[in-house]
Amino acid sequence: GIQVEQSPPDLILQEGANSTLRCNFSDSVNNLQWFHQNPWGQLINLFYIPSGTKQNGRLSATTVATERYSLLYISSSQTTDSGVYFCAVEPGTGANSKLTFGKGITLSVRP
Amino acid sequence: DGGITQSPKYLFRKEGQNVTLSCEQNLNHDAMYWYRQDPGQGLRLIYYSQIVNDFQKGDIAEGYSVSREKKESFPLTVTSAQKNPTAFYLCASSIVGNSPLHFGNGTRLTVT
Repeated sequence: GIQVEQSPPDLILQEGANSTLRCNFSDSVNNLQWFHQNPWGQLINLFYIPSGTKQNGRLSATTVATERYSLLYISSSQTTDSGVYFCAVEPGTGANSKLTFGKGITLSVRP
Repeated sequence: DGGITQSPKYLFRKEGQNVTLSCEQNLNHDAMYWYRQDPGQGLRLIYYSQIVNDFQKGDIAEGYSVSREKKESFPLTVTSAQKNPTAFYLCASSIVGNSPLHFGNGTRLTVT
């Protein structure tokens, strides 16, 4: 099956700093989503982005499908950005039932 | 507000007992999913359903069962056959097809 690698596995930032989180995948995809899991376990969908670039406030994401990677940018980080960021991909029909999740990137933003 | 409600938030059971986790959504989504998350790991799909009265096994269905009698509800039963049931269980829903997946707040199950 498709392999998903997220890097770096852990990241510590000072509040206000910018960061880039990376998701590499081993096959072309029709479905790619980024999620944020807060310290209480709640998972929020950040982006549905199988290709192209999207922005939502301080967050933006870019997927370069031909080169098999996606980047999540966090600007002016805040302590509430702390948590685990997951990338999930699906290579075939794009159905959510076939999503493969990466192991996540743990982000800690210090005040 | 539309959303996905999972209950209870924490659940404790003795080994050998079956336990049912509740998931209700009012987003009018056709598709619903159950995932399991273990510490330091990504999510793994247990079961999913794209229409009422129909569901399919995911990657780790052994020891679990589900039903989909109503569009809004997708309960998960963790049976005594599940060898390592202690985990964080997440319910999700989406429109059928390529669309964003939305999650409930999860249920932490501890079996001793």
